[in-house]
Amino acid sequence: SQTIHQWPATLVQPVGSPLSLECTVEGTSNPNLYWYRQAAGRGLQLLFYSVGIGQISSEVPQNLSASRPQDRQFILSSKKLLLSDSGFYLCAWSRDRETQYFGPGTRLLVL
Amino acid sequence: AQRVTQPEKLLSVFKGAPVELKCNYSYSGSPELFWYVQYSRQRLQLLLRHISRESIKGFTADLNKGETSFHLKKPFAQEEDSAMYYCALRGNTDKLIFGTGTRLQVFP
Repeated sequence: SQTIHQWPATLVQPVGSPLSLECTVEGTSNPNLYWYRQAAGRGLQLLFYSVGIGQISSEVPQNLSASRPQDRQFILSSKKLLLSDSGFYLCAWSRDRETQYFGPGTRLLVL
Repeated sequence: AQRVTQPEKLLSVFKGAPVELKCNYSYSGSPELFWYVQYSRQRLQLLLRHISRESIKGFTADLNKGETSFHLKKPFAQEEDSAMYYCALRGNTDKLIFGTGTRLQVFP
């Protein structure tokens, strides 16, 4: 069966520090991968999605970037965090036109 | 533009009462509509999709293209239905557009 992991579960970082959140998928190959941010009152906002290794589409201009160094690994990064980057980050995977499955999420607090 | 609107941030009902979570969408083509649910301390998960036309945990949702709505309904709410509910739309790509969510509270 397929599983999706996110690491870490919680992160507290100072403003201006770098960020690296990791998402890995097991039990499937060549999945579509997604990064969302879940903010109170704003729902889920799609940040990045990827249909293959090295293929990243950015949905909104922001302080974050994404990379897919391996087929089942999706990384969310920032060189310098802003206060506004605080939130709950969700990774998801899907096969084409099928259900999206979500990871447990990472709660990021930028102080 | 593709958009999903959930006008209610919070919906509170008593156990046994009917529930309707509203969802309206904006899309020029033929969309696929979904309801996702997030229970406390659990992952966001699919509840139902309009093409399945099935009832899950007593919930149903009918796509009304004339009113561009996909409201989620349950005739008798249970305490375990308390959760965050998100309506989502998929157009001609694999991306999902989510609404802002509605928190359902079911009181005993």
